[in-house]
Amino acid sequence: EAQVTQNPRYLITVTGKKLTVTCSQNMNHEYMSWYRQDPGLGLRQIYYSMNVEVTDKGDVPEGYKVSRKEKRNFPLILESPSPNQTSLYFCASSAGQGRDTQYFGPGTRLTVL
Amino acid sequence: KNEVEQSPQNLTAQEGEFITINCSYSVGISALHWLQQHPGGGIVSLFMLSSGKKKHGRLIATINIQEKHSSLHITASHPRDSAVYICAPTRWGAQKLVFGQGTRLTINP
Repeated sequence: EAQVTQNPRYLITVTGKKLTVTCSQNMNHEYMSWYRQDPGLGLRQIYYSMNVEVTDKGDVPEGYKVSRKEKRNFPLILESPSPNQTSLYFCASSAGQGRDTQYFGPGTRLTVL
Repeated sequence: KNEVEQSPQNLTAQEGEFITINCSYSVGISALHWLQQHPGGGIVSLFMLSSGKKKHGRLIATINIQEKHSSLHITASHPRDSAVYICAPTRWGAQKLVFGQGTRLTINP
């Protein structure tokens, strides 16, 4: 079954404690993205990757890092989380960029205290 | 002004009604996506279209590139259609998705 998986699904942490949210897809997609969703602001892109070792900033990259060492995995790293990073996070993948069907992970609800 | 405007923001209807959600955008686009987000939070792609019209079951999506407008229609609506529907054009050139704020649809039995 084609899918994008994310872990953890829920996370409560404290300010400054480094964390990683994993994302994995089984469709051999080249393009992967991370988004955050906040009430009233909708979905906003954090980072994206067009292939292994190729990543670039989206619209709200501050406070986040990513890496793409393997095609299937695209982890999101928060090195020093702050309360303003409390949000719902989605990973997505597609064969190409914007002209292909987007597949979203189930979401990770992060709370930073 | 937002690059993508959806209307209405909220819509409540009775089961069986014909539903229309509208999306207007100001950027040049190469495609447009309609997404569905259920109360549990997961996001599913319903349509991707670059011209004309597409139909899946009771759902129909249309786009008019010249008028920079797209519509999502639901025929014979059902309570399970209750969700947030998000319009997401793909910006020409950068090939990045730009997201609308979403339309919250509630279908009452």
